[in-house]
Amino acid sequence: NAGVTQTPKFRVLKTGQSMTLLCAQDMNHEYMYWYRQDPGMGLRLIHYSVGEGTTAKGEVPDGYNVSRLKKQNFLLGLESAAPSQTSVYFCASSPDRTAHSNQPQHFGDGTRLSIL
Amino acid sequence: AQKITQTQPGMFVQEKEAVTLDCTYDTSDPSYGLFWYKQPSSGEMIFLIYQGSYDQQNATEGRYSLNFQKARKSANLVISASQLGDSAMYFCAMREGAEAGNTGKLIFGQGTTLQVKP
Repeated sequence: NAGVTQTPKFRVLKTGQSMTLLCAQDMNHEYMYWYRQDPGMGLRLIHYSVGEGTTAKGEVPDGYNVSRLKKQNFLLGLESAAPSQTSVYFCASSPDRTAHSNQPQHFGDGTRLSIL
Repeated sequence: AQKITQTQPGMFVQEKEAVTLDCTYDTSDPSYGLFWYKQPSSGEMIFLIYQGSYDQQNATEGRYSLNFQKARKSANLVISASQLGDSAMYFCAMREGAEAGNTGKLIFGQGTTLQVKP
């Protein structure tokens, strides 16, 4: 069972370079999310998608773009990387978005990104 | 504003003893869900337990239970009979309901690092 797969697992970039993080899920989940994790700050939502072809901004969207052209894939792009974007990035998916649903978000293993 | 607070940056517990990890939350939405996740040193996020705001009973999952005190807006995680493999970071998270647009997004606390001593 693959679940949520993130590619790549590690990456080092130079300031100003661009890259795309790929998230793929095989559970046919409608809802997908990108978070970043920084020490002492928990996970913060960057962007999310409530369905194929839709995206929306989260708490910390600046400097990132996303696309959801296919239901199973959610891409996170950094157009011009900055040292402040050094972080661990997590993708998550869920079959339900309602508050009273006991369905959790399923997370990928994370991408560790360093910007020099 | 919606918020999750975990006031214990680090905790120690002796193997086989019980430990409580604190979580308080703030929301004006009457419908919400509370989740606990475990993050071991390997980095993955593992779902542990869920409590809905309308649930009358505290949630339990094996050695994990949730002490839900709605009036106090607290959702503490209790781990019974701690094991060495319980050493990890633990996150409390909240999923809000209709008033927040039913986006399904999670708001996370800062996390608590638990170390189990042999």
